[in-house]
Amino acid sequence: QVHLVESGGGLVKPGGSLRLSCAASGFTFTDYYMSWIRQAPGKGLEYVSYISSTISTIYYADSVKGRFTVSRDNAKSSLYLQMNSLRAEDTAVYYCARNIVGGTTIDYWGQGTLVTVSS
Amino acid sequence: EIVLTQSPATLSLSPGESATLSCRASQSVSSYLAWYQQKPGQAPRLLIYDASNRATGIPPRFSGSGSGTDFTLTISSLEPEDFAVYYCQHRNNWPPTFGPGTKVDIK
Repeated sequence: QVHLVESGGGLVKPGGSLRLSCAASGFTFTDYYMSWIRQAPGKGLEYVSYISSTISTIYYADSVKGRFTVSRDNAKSSLYLQMNSLRAEDTAVYYCARNIVGGTTIDYWGQGTLVTVSS
Repeated sequence: EIVLTQSPATLSLSPGESATLSCRASQSVSSYLAWYQQKPGQAPRLLIYDASNRATGIPPRFSGSGSGTDFTLTISSLEPEDFAVYYCQHRNNWPPTFGPGTKVDIK
């Protein structure tokens, strides 16, 4: 059974940094592209970042480009999101997600971790 | 960036009724459109991918149709557990975007 478990969320001041982690299990991690999706409180969904299985392809939303860095450790079946220069508008639940082979459709989501950026 | 518009914003229906949700893209996304269901406090769940393919474990009362710019999600007979928010998402290019959602609530 596919499991995606995020950790690392919390309260951080504007301008601060946070690193999110996602532990994957129940599938062959190296076979899948992975993504981070976020949802601001009471709002809709926003695609944040996408990373291929071999790390050869990485995309970022314009809203986070230059501030966020996605990475993965295939040996540990883990996905990461390093978030720097955080802003109030980055406040959201961040979901780790597995992509259907061949695109950016998500077939499995983690439970999410809340990031709050506030002074 | 492709903008997805969903209508209606809210759909008030009774259990057993049929629901028809619309998603319109600002330019063609071919058949590269998915539908998700989200309940309060939960992560979204994939229902339909590539316009008309049901995801694993999704009951047949959920069906998707459309191509190009106009898509429809139909729930043939609403069960109590179907009252939720539904989002569409394209995968035609980067960035993939989501629609603002349609809330299906109990009349």
